[in-house]
Amino acid sequence: SFELTQPPSLSLSPGQTARITCSGDALPQQYTSWYQQRPGQAPVLVIYKDSERPSGIPERFSGSTSGTIVTLTISGVQAEDEADYYCQSADNNPYWVFGGGTKLTVL
Amino acid sequence: QVQLVQSGGGVVQPGHSLRLSCEASGFTFNNFAMHWVRQAPGKGLDWVTVISYDGSQKYYTDSVKGRFSISRDNSKNALYLQMNSLRVEDTAVYYCASWGVSSFEGFFPWGQGTLVTVSS
Repeated sequence: SFELTQPPSLSLSPGQTARITCSGDALPQQYTSWYQQRPGQAPVLVIYKDSERPSGIPERFSGSTSGTIVTLTISGVQAEDEADYYCQSADNNPYWVFGGGTKLTVL
Repeated sequence: QVQLVQSGGGVVQPGHSLRLSCEASGFTFNNFAMHWVRQAPGKGLDWVTVISYDGSQKYYTDSVKGRFSISRDNSKNALYLQMNSLRVEDTAVYYCASWGVSSFEGFFPWGQGTLVTVSS
């Protein structure tokens, strides 16, 4: 299996842009998804196939990729965006892997 | 709407067994692979196991191989996780999730989660 590495935390003020990174050697060959998890709730898919946004997810959420790093961008963070965010990918074994998660705090 | 509703879980002693269930609605269950993902208290998400749309293929994370068994009953739109020889380190919230529903290539939707506590 492979590993995905995320920063443990990020703190921003409302209206600022959040960029949460996820790094992994296998990422150039595999798609990445992103999940938002608010306290006490199940995760919610916010980005799939690196940059696709499911219906119902606000446009301020976007995804991008560059080599071994994928990035979740939240443009103009709001108080409701305060949550843990996880990247996820898979290899060909098959084996699904999550990053360690990034706690986003909106001050 | 697409939905997964979980049942089962609870407190169990080490070495004992437990069965989790997950019932799907709002989508064609027998078209999609199904997964279990767990989250230990205060920790991140960990993938546990997957079963193919028809039940013919199953894969497990190394730590549960030989102890956990995933199955499905497509006639009942139901997914199961049989957990045997439970260990303290299996304590977690367990989520069922489907993959690819509504053409979203990710875990969608998720069940509400069920807490499994392994303690003497």
